[in-house]
Amino acid sequence: AQRVTQPEKLLSVFKGAPVELKCNYSYSGSPELFWYVQYSRQRLQLLLRHISRESIKGFTADLNKGETSFHLKKPFAQEEDSAMYYCALSGQDFNKFYFGSGTKLNVKP
Amino acid sequence: GAVVSQHPSWVICKSGTSVKIECRSLDFQATTMFWYRQFPKQSLMLMATSNEGSKATYEQGVEKDKFLINHASLTLSTLTVTSAHPEDSSFYICSALLPGQGVQAFFGQGTRLTVV
Repeated sequence: AQRVTQPEKLLSVFKGAPVELKCNYSYSGSPELFWYVQYSRQRLQLLLRHISRESIKGFTADLNKGETSFHLKKPFAQEEDSAMYYCALSGQDFNKFYFGSGTKLNVKP
Repeated sequence: GAVVSQHPSWVICKSGTSVKIECRSLDFQATTMFWYRQFPKQSLMLMATSNEGSKATYEQGVEKDKFLINHASLTLSTLTVTSAHPEDSSFYICSALLPGQGVQAFFGQGTRLTVV
């Protein structure tokens, strides 16, 4: 079975502090992993995906197959980063997209 | 960027009636679309995967006869909640897969269903 676990429901940090949103997964094959973000009153949108190895809005995420993790990191949080963040997993055939429970990031001034 | 539109955004219906929700990919063709249900302050629960021209694949525990999915064209998938009950009240979200290199899913704005 595919599972995506985000252990933190809420993460509060001060502006300028580093932030790490945790994501662990279980999957029998080779997964494709994504981070989606949902700003207040907006739809879900893709933040980044592991295959691209990109940095978006200062966020990065590294797939660690040994630890089955795909944690999202940013060295200096900004207030505009406050949002819900969802880790998502798909198989290589992209026939399913499973989401973690989400972490609400609150960046305080 | 690619746009996925859901209609309606909000619907109230009486118990026992059926409600159809549409999901359209506006500027791309999507052979695969997903339907999710989201309860308040909870994550998205995958209900089914909809493939154009074939039957939808439902997740375990999702009633096929209650949540009818039709993906008749490359730009439209519909979810019909049949014989709705108050417990079906929820936020329903669709997403469409943009194929090609760097495949990614784009999401609709969601439909708030309230059954009274």
